[in-house]
Amino acid sequence: DAGVTQSPTHLIKTRGQQVTLRCSPKSGHDTVSWYQQALGQGPQFIFQYYEEEERQRGNFPDRFSGHQFPNYSSELNVNALLLGDSALYLCASSANRGEAFFGQGTRLTVV
Amino acid sequence: AQKITQTQPGMFVQEKEAVTLDCTYDTSDPSYGLFWYKQPSSGEMIFLIYQGSYDQQNATEGRYSLNFQKARKSANLVISASQLGDSAMYFCAMREGPPAGNNRKLIWGLGTSLAVNP
Repeated sequence: DAGVTQSPTHLIKTRGQQVTLRCSPKSGHDTVSWYQQALGQGPQFIFQYYEEEERQRGNFPDRFSGHQFPNYSSELNVNALLLGDSALYLCASSANRGEAFFGQGTRLTVV
Repeated sequence: AQKITQTQPGMFVQEKEAVTLDCTYDTSDPSYGLFWYKQPSSGEMIFLIYQGSYDQQNATEGRYSLNFQKARKSANLVISASQLGDSAMYFCAMREGPPAGNNRKLIWGLGTSLAVNP
């Protein structure tokens, strides 16, 4: 049973560029959430997708957008990258009680 | 105000001893869930244990147990018989509201760094 998988694992981008991160949920999970974790901090909720719609959103600008596909996989897009967007981006899929199972994360560096 | 407070930035424990990591939470919602996660230096967030607000018994998962004191709004993680591999960051998190499919947001504390000494 495959867990949550994310790609790529590491990424280096230049300020102003756009980036797309991908996530495949754990088998049987239909909800995907995205988190940003800056160094030394706890994760911050970006948004959650369920039934291909954004259901909840954290305090992130519109530069952060996403999508969920019919197979429940998801993408996170960030436009006009800033240096402050450098972080570990975690994708999680959820079971019935809401406990999130995470992928290994994508470490994004903006230079 | 912080919704999840972890007051111990760092903790040390001797191998084979038990350790308690503190977590207090703040919510006015009667339905909520509390979670503990472990994050090794590799970065992956590993689910450890869950406690629902209506659960009558304290949750246990192997060497992990959750000391849930609802009136005090605390949900401390107890790790028994510590192992060297337990050295990691530990995060407490909360879901406010029932675990519906459109309610998956987790609010996180700042974490506690645990070091297990041989």
